[in-house]
Amino acid sequence: GQQLNQSPQSMFIQEGEDVSMNCTSSSIFNTWLWYKQDPGEGPVLLIALYKAGELTSNGRLTAQFGITRKDSFLNISASIPSDVGIYFCAGPFTSGTYKYIFGTGTRLKVLA
Amino acid sequence: NAGVTQTPKFRILKIGQSMTLQCAQDMNHNYMYWYRQDPGMGLKLIYYSVGAGITDKGEVPNGYNVSRSTTEDFPLRLELAAPSQTSVYFCASRDGGNTGELFFGEGSRLTVL
Repeated sequence: GQQLNQSPQSMFIQEGEDVSMNCTSSSIFNTWLWYKQDPGEGPVLLIALYKAGELTSNGRLTAQFGITRKDSFLNISASIPSDVGIYFCAGPFTSGTYKYIFGTGTRLKVLA
Repeated sequence: NAGVTQTPKFRILKIGQSMTLQCAQDMNHNYMYWYRQDPGMGLKLIYYSVGAGITDKGEVPNGYNVSRSTTEDFPLRLELAAPSQTSVYFCASRDGGNTGELFFGEGSRLTVL
């Protein structure tokens, strides 16, 4: 079935460092969404991407919609302790549907 | 502004018992979703609905049932609970526009013993 694979699975970084993570699919996506989940809570949307090649920022976060439409990237600059959490990519299972699936997640830990 | 409300927040079931997880949204969203998240894992889509009276299976529908009699409510029914259904269940909703943003509830933690 359709899968969204994220890498790395987990990261331990020092406060102030930049972070990069990515999400890949075996099929083309027309929408890429990046969510963050804090412990014990539901995911919250960070950035949404709708066009191949699109680069969008939200504060210290920047995400890109890959040219092939099969991948997306999320970067966090100058990490801070509250960046700790799980980051998920998500998108519609097939084009034109609203059956949204989520990636496997990247667990981020920031060391002060 | 309540958003998406899930009840109960925690529940322990015995094997073979049944229960319903409730989900309600007050944003007049057409689309609603149920996901499960196993410990240390991502979210798996169980069922979703594109409007009242319409439901469809997600990635992992076995052992669950849903109904959508109103726009606001999307209950998830577990029949004959099994230990494999121990998980955190999240309900989400979104409107019919193209933004793609899913709004999530706080989750329902279910343990089957």
